Amino acid sequence: QKEVEQNSGPLSVPEGAIASLNCTYSDRGSQSFFWYRQYSGKSPELIMSIYSNGDKEDGRFTAQLNKASQYVSLLIRDSQPSDSATYLCAASGYSTLTFGKGTMLLVSP
Amino acid sequence: DAGVTQSPTHLIKTRGQQVTLRCSPKSGHDTVSWYQQALGQGPQFIFQYYEEEERQRGNFPDRFSGHQFPNYSSELNVNALLLGDSALYLCASSPGTGTSSQYFGPGTRLTVL
Repeated sequence: QKEVEQNSGPLSVPEGAIASLNCTYSDRGSQSFFWYRQYSGKSPELIMSIYSNGDKEDGRFTAQLNKASQYVSLLIRDSQPSDSATYLCAASGYSTLTFGKGTMLLVSP
Repeated sequence: DAGVTQSPTHLIKTRGQQVTLRCSPKSGHDTVSWYQQALGQGPQFIFQYYEEEERQRGNFPDRFSGHQFPNYSSELNVNALLLGDSALYLCASSPGTGTSSQYFGPGTRLTVL
């Protein structure tokens, strides 16, 4: 059974701080990893993808992948209240996505 | 450039009825995947369509079926609805069946009474 585990939160950070979201996966055959942001009542929005070990930066977001530890993380720098949402981690072995339950992030002004 | 579109937005059905949900993929995408998201859970994979065929299927009963048309749009059909089928149904499109990123539509909120 392929599983993706995330802390459900909520993770509370003050505005301007760095938010760190973590995820572990069980299937060593997973090849690609994604972070989606989901606002309440809306659909998931893709914010980052990562395929190789190491870091990938895009604006305020940095995704980190460690395949040996089966660990994925997302750092959000200079967190804003508009970043308050549920962040879903997903792993893909070939073409289907296995999601975690998501971590709720709350950024207070 | 139009993104993924889904219809209807909301739907209310009673137990035992049948429902059809529709999805049009993002321009340039030929693969459509369907997911079910219950409240407080992550999306769960139902099945994926490519070249008008079901290529992969998740752990969902045969009551869930689908179709893909030559223009790459897709339908999800659910028969004999159960209360537990109440969820947000998400369609995602991608270019090909590999490890490409999948982009979600706005979803259809199904309520079964």
